[in-house]
Amino acid sequence: QQQVKQSPQSLIVQKGGISIINCAYENTAFDYFPWYQQFPGKGPALLIAIRPDVSEKKEGRFTISFNKSAKQFSLHIMDSQPGDSATYFCSVYNFNKFYFGSGTKLNVKP
Amino acid sequence: GAVVSQHPSRVICKSGTSVKIECRSLDFQATTMFWYRQFPKKSLMLMATSNEGSKATYEQGVEKDKFLINHASLTLSTLTVTSAHPEDSSFYICSARVGEDTQYFGPGTRLTVL
Repeated sequence: QQQVKQSPQSLIVQKGGISIINCAYENTAFDYFPWYQQFPGKGPALLIAIRPDVSEKKEGRFTISFNKSAKQFSLHIMDSQPGDSATYFCSVYNFNKFYFGSGTKLNVKP
Repeated sequence: GAVVSQHPSRVICKSGTSVKIECRSLDFQATTMFWYRQFPKKSLMLMATSNEGSKATYEQGVEKDKFLINHASLTLSTLTVTSAHPEDSSFYICSARVGEDTQYFGPGTRLTVL
């Protein structure tokens, strides 16, 4: 059973545009929602994370929007740059386990 | 930020041999480390949770006798792929947990079994 569903599978954005990736979950017991960025041949890197007691968290150009009632959260990348081209994974956590979305391959065109 | 290293970064071995992958937390202690497997263009699949001083907890469908995990110290966990076969070829990634729920990943190990 997939614990978190991620969309879209791939995304093409022009430089300077906004990239939006969405995730949805079912289990309300999850209490930590991180996003990871992964470049080819490298391990994932923690990008930004949110807990369910807030609806939004912003760090630089990256923002997480969290809708607890809808059990959805999304990553917004403002002013997207070619260097942001990577695969992004959302994740959910509880009971000492992390579950990952299927990933979104982002391509930011110059 | 917390740094996790993995060694080797890439390994090629013959079918039937065993391969050991090391995962180290360089600037912090980690009582819990995780081992993941990632297939090309796919998400991360949790294989096992490694706890310092105790036996690892394996996910359903992961053979514990095939993938031996040892967490001998607060900074080192090892994954040994025993009697490797071509289907074991994959990208193996470890992570170390910091605090209650934050994890930092290693750079990964590309295993190719001929």
